[in-house]
Amino acid sequence: KQEVTQIPAALSVPEGENLVLNCSFTDSAIYNLQWFRQDPGKGLTSLLLIQSSQREQTSGRLNASLDKSSGRSTLYIAASQPGDSATYLCAVEGSQGNLIFGKGTKLSVKP
Amino acid sequence: EPEVTQTPSHQVTQMGQEVILRCVPISNHLYFYWYRQILGQKVEFLVSFYNNEISEKSEIFDDQFSVERPDGSNFTLKIRSTKLEDSAMYFCASSEPRAGGLGETQYFGPGTRLLVL
Repeated sequence: KQEVTQIPAALSVPEGENLVLNCSFTDSAIYNLQWFRQDPGKGLTSLLLIQSSQREQTSGRLNASLDKSSGRSTLYIAASQPGDSATYLCAVEGSQGNLIFGKGTKLSVKP
Repeated sequence: EPEVTQTPSHQVTQMGQEVILRCVPISNHLYFYWYRQILGQKVEFLVSFYNNEISEKSEIFDDQFSVERPDGSNFTLKIRSTKLEDSAMYFCASSEPRAGGLGETQYFGPGTRLLVL
């Protein structure tokens, strides 16, 4: 059974820092991996999707990498801003199309 | 930019009552999903729907749950007899037709917060 783990559970950084969020999964047979942002009491906003054949994806200050063989992904946020404060969720898609989520990393960027 | 919409945003119901949660997926999407998130816990998959039938469901999605696409735009989740433990945020999601079997980005709605008393 696929399990997704995110470390750390919470992270607090000063504005301007570069940071890395980690995601690991137990079964490497995935179709893709998606990173989401969730603001308190709100829905999920898709940030990046990495297909299983890809190694990384970039969008603005965000860069996500995927190492399928080791079951790991990282989300790199450059020059963090207070507006980046949110919970970041990692999810892997299995063969049936359903997403399996980690519990998230709650990020707080202090001005 | 097209987005998934959900109604209502909040619903309070008594235990044992039926509830219907509604979703309007992005118009050219063909795959539809329901997920839920109990407060403080992970987002969990409930069911996926394609070509007017359920394509996959989790063990959470028991006989109390059903889904329907009653017309060309709406996608609904019905809970027949709500229990206290059904209290959660319910998210609808949709994705484009798949190209070559590869996964596509799932776009989520803002959620319906269901409280069962």
